[in-house]
Amino acid sequence: NAGVTQTPKFQVLKTGQSMTLQCAQDMNHNSMYWYRQDPGMGLRLIYYSASEGTTDKGEVPNGYNVSRLNKREFSLRLESAAPSQTSVYFCASSRDRDETQYFGPGTRLLVL
Amino acid sequence: AQSVAQPEDQVNVAEGNPLTVKCTYSVSGNPYLFWYVQYPNRGLQFLLKYITGDNLVKGSYGFEAEFNKSQTSFHLKKPSALVSDSALYFCAVPRDTNAGKSTFGDGTTLTVKP
Repeated sequence: NAGVTQTPKFQVLKTGQSMTLQCAQDMNHNSMYWYRQDPGMGLRLIYYSASEGTTDKGEVPNGYNVSRLNKREFSLRLESAAPSQTSVYFCASSRDRDETQYFGPGTRLLVL
Repeated sequence: AQSVAQPEDQVNVAEGNPLTVKCTYSVSGNPYLFWYVQYPNRGLQFLLKYITGDNLVKGSYGFEAEFNKSQTSFHLKKPSALVSDSALYFCAVPRDTNAGKSTFGDGTTLTVKP
């Protein structure tokens, strides 16, 4: 039982490049989330998916897109990376909205 | 709108002493409240949650939290701190549907010194 997995663990991009962060959970959870964590700013929600087939914007969605590919997988895409997107990105899942969230190990992204 | 606040960025305690990490909340209705811990270079891990019932909630690693409705607080406590408890702690309420915001506090760094 792997829980929540994220790939890659670390990535360096040049400004303007694109990339997709992958997330998968094996707990049969309905809800999935993408956060970014920056020093002194806690966790900020980028996008979430309350259930398979639905996605909604969070607090800081600009510059990102998401796809809930199936119940297990929720990917985050940066179409044109900017230095302001340098951050640590966490994926999480929960059985439902009000339930405990389980986090992946994170992806450390550096945009030059 | 639902929110939590952690008034202290940093808490320092000596090993063996009791520790408290503070959290206050603002929610409508009956609150669901959570504590998470983050060790360096790791994702967040669930510690404990309050849904209803006993105001003292026991969680992982010997931690407990006290729900106080009159003070709108949900402070995290441990009777005897360990050096290995040093980490970043987050208080949280479920996602605020209307605002689309994550409702995690900004985090409190706990440092336990030998």
